Amino acid sequence: GQSLEQPSEVTAVEGAIVQINCTYQTSGFYGLSWYQQHDGGAPTFLSYNALDGLEETGRFSSFLSRSDSYGYLLLQELQMKDSASYFCAVRYNFNKFYFGSGTKLNVKP
Amino acid sequence: DTAVSQTPKYLVTQMGNDKSIKCEQNLGHDTMYWYKQDSKKFLKIMFSYNNKELIINETVPNRFSPKSPDKAHLNLHINSLELGDSAVYFCASSQGSAGEQFFGPGTRLTVL
Repeated sequence: GQSLEQPSEVTAVEGAIVQINCTYQTSGFYGLSWYQQHDGGAPTFLSYNALDGLEETGRFSSFLSRSDSYGYLLLQELQMKDSASYFCAVRYNFNKFYFGSGTKLNVKP
Repeated sequence: DTAVSQTPKYLVTQMGNDKSIKCEQNLGHDTMYWYKQDSKKFLKIMFSYNNKELIINETVPNRFSPKSPDKAHLNLHINSLELGDSAVYFCASSQGSAGEQFFGPGTRLTVL
């Protein structure tokens, strides 16, 4: 089976940097995705790592270490609008994704 | 133009009824999905449909059945609705080996 662990809640202040970790156990592995979801909204794609290393997209970066079954999402220069839930999702089959339970990020002024 | 659309946005119904949720994507993607998000925000994949191949999550009750009239549509039909089916249902699509999925706005289903 598949399992994912990520913190349930993180709090940070505006302008700060926050890292959300994700560890996984899976029978197959194609890649690790990150999604943002605001309350009442749909998940929106942030990044996807299929290979080890860091992927940077603006203020957001994502890292993957396949040997450690570990990844993280790094959010820099936090803004109030970044308050949302963040999900990591492992692609364990070409058409199968398993989502973590999400990390609620609270950004305070 | 909405990339992935779902109807209805809200659905309130009685236990035992049968209902359908429609999904359409205009991205030309080859794979579509249905997810269920429960009250604890856990997102669980229910089905994926690719080139007429249906992959079913084995934990999904057979009261749930996806129907794909064409590559751009994947509807979800639910028979004999139960209280535990209350959730938000998201449709999503992706293309090939890309790790990005585009999600629809969701359908909030409430079973009374």
